[in-house]
Amino acid sequence: IQMTQSPSSLSASVGDRVTITCRASQNIYSYLNWYQQKPGKAPNLLIYAASNFHSGVPSRFSGSGSGTDFTLTITSLQPEDFATYYCQQTYSTPLTFGGGTKVEVK
Amino acid sequence: QVQLQQWGAGLLKPSEPLSLTCAVYGGSFQDYYWSWIRQPPGKGLEWIGEINHSGTTNYSPSLKSRVTLSVDTSKNQFSLKLTSVTAADTAVYYCARTNYASFGPNDYWGQGILVTVSS
Repeated sequence: IQMTQSPSSLSASVGDRVTITCRASQNIYSYLNWYQQKPGKAPNLLIYAASNFHSGVPSRFSGSGSGTDFTLTITSLQPEDFATYYCQQTYSTPLTFGGGTKVEVK
Repeated sequence: QVQLQQWGAGLLKPSEPLSLTCAVYGGSFQDYYWSWIRQPPGKGLEWIGEINHSGTTNYSPSLKSRVTLSVDTSKNQFSLKLTSVTAADTAVYYCARTNYASFGPNDYWGQGILVTVSS
């Protein structure tokens, strides 16, 4: 299953609302997860099953969607949110990731 | 608190085997799948495969011919072996827990090891 993320990068300011989209090449129901990765660190799980918060994730992050189209939204971007974000489908093996979206300072 | 700690050789010559091990501390070992994921420098994430406590495996088709995953339940450890490495296998390798009870996210990760393949 191919996962296509867009945009591949974006520039934003602190306080902005940021939306990242992920499209699956076939129906994956709600088997969609979102990760945040900072340079030199392992990815951190943010959202699982399309819209469920992993423990400790701030409420400014939210996920939505089902089927083939999914969205990660950051309602008010904070300085610590500048990072790369990946979606991942876990509907079937081989598990696959989107290409990533780098959120940079505007 | 679940922690994954991984180790293995970080510099290999072409054609040598890559061997990494990941130890799991905290939580149940039997109730999850255990995965390997890699990331070439400056690139995205690539799933390598997964194994459970009974040794059931799933592999990436693109690596299946060269990958073997194994598990040691007495030590709560799992391992990755990748044969005949080339420069294209240069990457940070991560181990991670796969939580299929929650739709399969990788909810805990090891620290990552950079494996460089160079003559």
